[in-house]
Amino acid sequence: GAGVSQSPSNKVTEKGKDVELRCDPISGHTALYWYRQSLGQGLEFLIYFQGNSAPDKSGLPSDRFSAERTGGSVSTLTIQRTQQEDSAVYLCASSLGLNSGNTIYFGEGSWLTVV
Amino acid sequence: SQQGEEDPQALSIQEGENATMNCSYKTSINNLQWYRQNSGRGLVHLILIRSNEREKHSGRLRVTLDTSKKSSSLLITASRAADTASYFCATIIQGAQKLVFGQGTRLTINP
Repeated sequence: GAGVSQSPSNKVTEKGKDVELRCDPISGHTALYWYRQSLGQGLEFLIYFQGNSAPDKSGLPSDRFSAERTGGSVSTLTIQRTQQEDSAVYLCASSLGLNSGNTIYFGEGSWLTVV
Repeated sequence: SQQGEEDPQALSIQEGENATMNCSYKTSINNLQWYRQNSGRGLVHLILIRSNEREKHSGRLRVTLDTSKKSSSLLITASRAADTASYFCATIIQGAQKLVFGQGTRLTINP
């Protein structure tokens, strides 16, 4: 597609339920990132995929969070047993890689509300 | 701790004035990027400046980088109401593989 596509745009879920957020990166981009942004805050790094390398999971806040990237393209971020503090915008981005000069393109985000 | 810290956290100016936002970082970087975010949704890449560059221009945007002070500034000249947004700096730490963002500056342009 023309840009990074994320779904759903908005998700309201009950506390304790699991949610899956999807990201379709720009075709050909080998690098994919997930960030979380709470209201009025900066972006919090969650996880980074680069090609076939092991992902950098250092930003995942707890073992309730996991992400996978199938076939080097689409990625799914899963949050198990959601808590109210998980409410935030989850932003996905992709790029050709993190070499100097490669622009990172963001999707519009998935707004998650846990009630 | 945050790699990039923007200053000020909020800035309100009149349309037509220039807006200057600053970013400081802590460790050596490969490059520094500025992004804009409208209404808490997706970020739009504005400009990238490499560690060996000191100044870069793009339209009404001017970015400077001082690696000795570990700081960068974003200047928006002749501001417009449509420039109202949050602006973030982001850095790629040398040896790391992730883009680290600051907390952002919330810019409001008053008509």
